[in-house]
Amino acid sequence: NAGVMQNPRHLVRRRGQEARLRCSPMKGHSHVYWYRQLPEEGLKFMVYLQKENIIDESGMPKERFSAEFPKEGPSILRIQQVVRGDSAAYFCASSSSGSVYEQYFGPGTRLTVT
Amino acid sequence: DQQVKQNSPSLSVQEGRISILNCDYTNSMFDYFLWYKKYPAEGPTFLISISSIKDKNEDGRFTVFLNKSAKHLSLHIVPSQPGDSAVYFCAATTTSGTYKYIFGTGTRLKVLA
Repeated sequence: NAGVMQNPRHLVRRRGQEARLRCSPMKGHSHVYWYRQLPEEGLKFMVYLQKENIIDESGMPKERFSAEFPKEGPSILRIQQVVRGDSAAYFCASSSSGSVYEQYFGPGTRLTVT
Repeated sequence: DQQVKQNSPSLSVQEGRISILNCDYTNSMFDYFLWYKKYPAEGPTFLISISSIKDKNEDGRFTVFLNKSAKHLSLHIVPSQPGDSAVYFCAATTTSGTYKYIFGTGTRLKVLA
């Protein structure tokens, strides 16, 4: 019973490039959340998606960041024109409709912008 | 505005003794609380949760206490083991909202053998 999968685990991008982070939720889970953890800080909510719908994007920066969860395939967090301040660990979590309050986290993608 | 606070960045405890980790919140709309444990380079792992209709929830060595009037919760680990050494995050959410978690900044627990 696979858990939440994230890839890549580590991603290095130069300033100005695009970063694409992928998340496959646990089997049977239709709710996906993205969180960001900056160095020495807690996790901060970014966006909550269900299949083909963005439910809550109140934590997403207004520019350069976007997320999707298509009908088929993983959820994607996309960061355009990355800057050094985007360097962080990005965690995806999923939950089921029957237990929406309990989110299971993936191992994270560590993004480094050089 | 930090709605969930963990004021102790670190805690050291002897093996076999009790570890008590504390968390305070400011938003009275929060009605579901969780504790997660995190090892370096891994994602957070769910430990235990509590609904605001309860004041205590126990699961093996882990007990969470909720004091709604003080807007305070605590996680007790008894007895503490070296494998418990990790960063512990408390999180809060509203069951009438979109279930997004608001996390504290974490407490690094070190259990000394």
